[in-house]
Amino acid sequence: GAVVSQHPSWVICKSGTSVKIECRSLDFQATTMFWYRQFPKQSLMLMATSNEGSKATYEQGVEKDKFLINHASLTLSTLTVTSAHPEDSSFYICSASQGQLIEAFFGQGTRLTVV
Amino acid sequence: AQSVAQPEDQVNVAEGNPLTVKCTYSVSGNPYLFWYVQYPNRGLQFLLKYITGDNLVKGSYGFEAEFNKSQSSFHLKEPSALVSDSALYFCAAAPSYNTDKLIFGTGTRLQVFP
Repeated sequence: GAVVSQHPSWVICKSGTSVKIECRSLDFQATTMFWYRQFPKQSLMLMATSNEGSKATYEQGVEKDKFLINHASLTLSTLTVTSAHPEDSSFYICSASQGQLIEAFFGQGTRLTVV
Repeated sequence: AQSVAQPEDQVNVAEGNPLTVKCTYSVSGNPYLFWYVQYPNRGLQFLLKYITGDNLVKGSYGFEAEFNKSQSSFHLKEPSALVSDSALYFCAAAPSYNTDKLIFGTGTRLQVFP
């Protein structure tokens, strides 16, 4: 199957700083990428849908200015958590689609800890 | 609101025994249905999907799932559990008119005991 790589796998940052997470489709072109957040012992919550070359579509309740998403190419989308706070600590997962989805390909996730 | 339910937080089973992880959905139309597995601190790995056709779907690692339209269910099954199957399992559904948008259940932790 297709491979989606997420980097970094884990990151610790100080409150008030910004953190960038990358999501790359390694062997296919992803017209759409999705960013999820997963709280401990909970399901995945879709944060936003990212289409190459256009603005991301955010789900209700997700702050656009706090979670900046850029999908600059067909193989790369980035999520930047700006002015991070401890409550932003979570597991962030991306997935990628080649278009009309049959199955989603997920990255390995990024564990963010804000101290 | 559309949703996917996994009524069991955890399922415990002895190695070699059959297992079932339950999933029901409330999604309009004829949704696409999926099962994913997640190991600690990892992303999701695809197990199997149902789009149309035979109600019994076979997937990776010996898993299968049975689609039941009248009960809106898509239960995951394995005839003989392995200790290595212990993980977190997610059921997901996507509306047929927007198959990119996966709706996830809350997950079921499977614990297989030797």
